[in-house]
Amino acid sequence: EVQLVESGGGLVQPGGSLRLSCAASGFTFSSYSMNWVRQAPGKGLEWVSYISSSNSTIYYADSVKGRFTISRDNAKNSLYLQMNSLRDEDTAVYYCARDPGYGGYEVDYWGQGTLVTVSS
Amino acid sequence: QSVLTQPPSVSGAPGQRVTISCTGSSSNIGAGYDVHWYQQLPGTAPKLLIYGNSNRPSGVPDRFSGSKSGTSASLAITGLQAEDEADYYCQSHDSSLSGSVFGGGTKLTVL
Repeated sequence: EVQLVESGGGLVQPGGSLRLSCAASGFTFSSYSMNWVRQAPGKGLEWVSYISSSNSTIYYADSVKGRFTISRDNAKNSLYLQMNSLRDEDTAVYYCARDPGYGGYEVDYWGQGTLVTVSS
Repeated sequence: QSVLTQPPSVSGAPGQRVTISCTGSSSNIGAGYDVHWYQQLPGTAPKLLIYGNSNRPSGVPDRFSGSKSGTSASLAITGLQAEDEADYYCQSHDSSLSGSVFGGGTKLTVL
């Protein structure tokens, strides 16, 4: 069974940093591209970042470019999101999400999400 | 303002058919990128409903169907059921933004 379990969320002050982790199991993690997608309270989905299976391709949404860094450790079956210079508008549930590799950048499995709250 | 435009809400009675539109531009849907649809029930993570414009993952009822034409796509739900009440999102890739884009979401109410 595919499982994605996020951790690392919490309360942080504006300007602060946080590192999210996603532990993957039930599939060959190193063969799949991965995404981070977020959802602000009461709002819609916002794609944040994408990393290919081999780390060769990385994309960021303009809203986080230069502040967030996506990475992965295939040996540990883990995906990460380093978030720096956090702003109030970064407050959201952050989902780890798997790209099935059909070529359309869709997501077939989602984690349960971890809440990041940026507030003083 | 989302790159992909969806109606904020739609509604229908049980058994009826509803459609949800997703309008993009020449840098995403119109550029030939696939459109995908997700269903999000309250308090849960999204679930893939349609991928590659019109394909259903295993386990998704054939009451759900997707189509794409030009710079737009649509999700159709037939035989509406109370359990279909949820938020629905479309997604595609955008060449100008070099990343994925989501629609703003559509809340489906079953009357």
